[in-house]
Amino acid sequence: SQQGEEDPQALSIQEGENATMNCSYKTSINNLQWYRQNSGRGLVHLILIRSNEREKHSGRLRVTLDTSKKSSSLLITASRAADTASYFCATWSLVSSGSARQLTFGSGTQLTVLP
Amino acid sequence: DGGITQSPKYLFRKEGQNVTLSCEQNLNHDAMYWYRQDPGQGLRLIYYSQIVNDFQKGDIAEGYSVSREKKESFPLTVTSAQKNPTAFYLCASARAEIDYEQYFGPGTRLTVT
Repeated sequence: SQQGEEDPQALSIQEGENATMNCSYKTSINNLQWYRQNSGRGLVHLILIRSNEREKHSGRLRVTLDTSKKSSSLLITASRAADTASYFCATWSLVSSGSARQLTFGSGTQLTVLP
Repeated sequence: DGGITQSPKYLFRKEGQNVTLSCEQNLNHDAMYWYRQDPGQGLRLIYYSQIVNDFQKGDIAEGYSVSREKKESFPLTVTSAQKNPTAFYLCASARAEIDYEQYFGPGTRLTVT
């Protein structure tokens, strides 16, 4: 099941512009995480925002969280060609086959930054 | 890709053969996970292990098997019972406490013909 869903599915911008990606989720959360995946590679953790936080910054990344709307956004400022990648949001939810919790990923936003 | 290694990077097998994908981590993490990723899709959980000698099925465990004999290692076997095994497989690890970030390996692309 997809706990998080990103929007848009694909985004193409010019270098130097800002990129905004959105994520919606379904159940209550303790935190929401954003990951990046370069083509054919593993995922890299970018930032974690807790449910009692509304905004968090890390370098050129800005994440917001609205728990009332069950949504989050990732803003990349002053984008670079090297930011080209897929970006996923992820939240912890119950494993369908048991009582443990798993990190559930959305289907991702493919960001292309044109030089 | 942190302290997690996966091998091989590319793997080709004939239909009907079992194949084992390797995952090793030196992060001293208790929890390890296997995901499957299909083109343009997110990750789906196959199996996870929160401690040595224990593992649990994820959302799509059918046709897969795992073992966790050592803390550092969590190999995944794709059996001939898996109907559509061609995919990108990702291994991850995390601290035992829930709700922390996961660290991913570089992935293995498996092609079965």
